[in-house]
Amino acid sequence: NAGVTQTPKFRILKIGQSMTLQCAQDMNHNYMYWYRQDPGMGLKLIYYSVGAGITDKGEVPNGYNVSRSTTEDFPLRLELAAPSQTSVYFCASSYNREDYGYTFGSGTRLTVV
Amino acid sequence: GDSVTQMEGPVTLSEEAFLTINCTYTATGYPSLFWYVQYPGEGLQLLLKATKADDKGSNKGFEATYRKETTSFHLEKGSVQVSDSAVYFCALSSPTSGTYKYIFGTGTRLKVLA
Repeated sequence: NAGVTQTPKFRILKIGQSMTLQCAQDMNHNYMYWYRQDPGMGLKLIYYSVGAGITDKGEVPNGYNVSRSTTEDFPLRLELAAPSQTSVYFCASSYNREDYGYTFGSGTRLTVV
Repeated sequence: GDSVTQMEGPVTLSEEAFLTINCTYTATGYPSLFWYVQYPGEGLQLLLKATKADDKGSNKGFEATYRKETTSFHLEKGSVQVSDSAVYFCALSSPTSGTYKYIFGTGTRLKVLA
């Protein structure tokens, strides 16, 4: 099925470790986004991309990095994991139209201990 | 700046009850408005949308009307089911500096009892 695929679904990291959260979409969407969702809270934008080779910071970019070498893939890199990065991470994609809405992945639940 | 305010939950209803979840917004210009639903353990799914004033979005028995005069987009359903138990997010999208910026509310948890 077409959509946004995130891997892994679950991960436990130790403080100071690094990892990459993978996100891929097969809908040829220009825009891709990374959000984090803390318990009982809404979504906070980490980074977004308007096309291959172009990325920009959202509300909470510190501690994260992204790249967009292809239209399909938008990985999120965590360097030196901290307990404050324990969260559920969602990737989403969209066309560059304000009326289109997002397609979300199923999320990655990350725990930093 | 742009913002979305939702009623706080959780909202607990009996099956077949009427549902209203309030959402108001602040935005410059004329945003598009959305409701998303998140079932347990899943990502958000687009439920319905409205792109201009007085438009009514509808899907799966849910409805919401874009009210510019009251800057509101309240979600309603006439008869809820246990399967509607989820978290509902109101969101807006408006152009900012050549891109489209989406703003999400904090979500309202709905629990429907049999």
